[in-house]
Amino acid sequence: EVQLLESGGGLVQPGGSLRLSCAASGFTFSDYAMNWVRQAPGKGMEWVSHISGSGGTRYYADSVKGRVTISRDNSRNTLYLQMNSLRAEDTAMYYCDVKPGGVIVWGQGTLVTVSS
Amino acid sequence: EIVLTQSPATLSLSPGERATLSCRASQSVSSNLAWYQQKPGQAPRLLIYDASNRATGIPARFSGSGSGTDFTFTISSLEPEDFAVYYCHQRHNWPLTFGGGTQVEIK
Repeated sequence: EVQLLESGGGLVQPGGSLRLSCAASGFTFSDYAMNWVRQAPGKGMEWVSHISGSGGTRYYADSVKGRVTISRDNSRNTLYLQMNSLRAEDTAMYYCDVKPGGVIVWGQGTLVTVSS
Repeated sequence: EIVLTQSPATLSLSPGERATLSCRASQSVSSNLAWYQQKPGQAPRLLIYDASNRATGIPARFSGSGSGTDFTFTISSLEPEDFAVYYCHQRHNWPLTFGGGTQVEIK
């Protein structure tokens, strides 16, 4: 069974940093691209970033470009999102996702709150 | 960016009734469209992928159809646990985008 477990969220002041992690199991991690998506309170989903299975290709949403870095450690089956210069509008539940065999799987999410 | 427009925004129905939801894309997404359900405080749950394929364990009352720019999601007979928000989502082009959602509420 494919499982994704996000962690690393929390309360941070504007301008601060956080590193989110997503631990994966149940599939060959290095074979699959992964994404981070987020959902602000009471809002719809927004794609944040993408990384290929090898880590060689990365994409970012305009809203986070220059402030976040996606990475992965294929030896640890873990995906990361380093978030810097955080703003109030980054407050959201952050989910990692993967699409093995055509079926999208999301984790349970980790909550990031940016507030003073 | 491909914009996904869902309609209606809210659907008020009774248990046992049929629910029909629409998702229109601003440009073709071929069949690269998914539907998912979300309840308050919960992670999204995939129902339909590639426009018409039910995910594992999803009951047959849920179905999807369409290709290109016009897609339909149907719940043939609403069960009490089906009252939730439903979103469409495209993975055809970057950036990945999501529809604004349809709230299916109890009438």
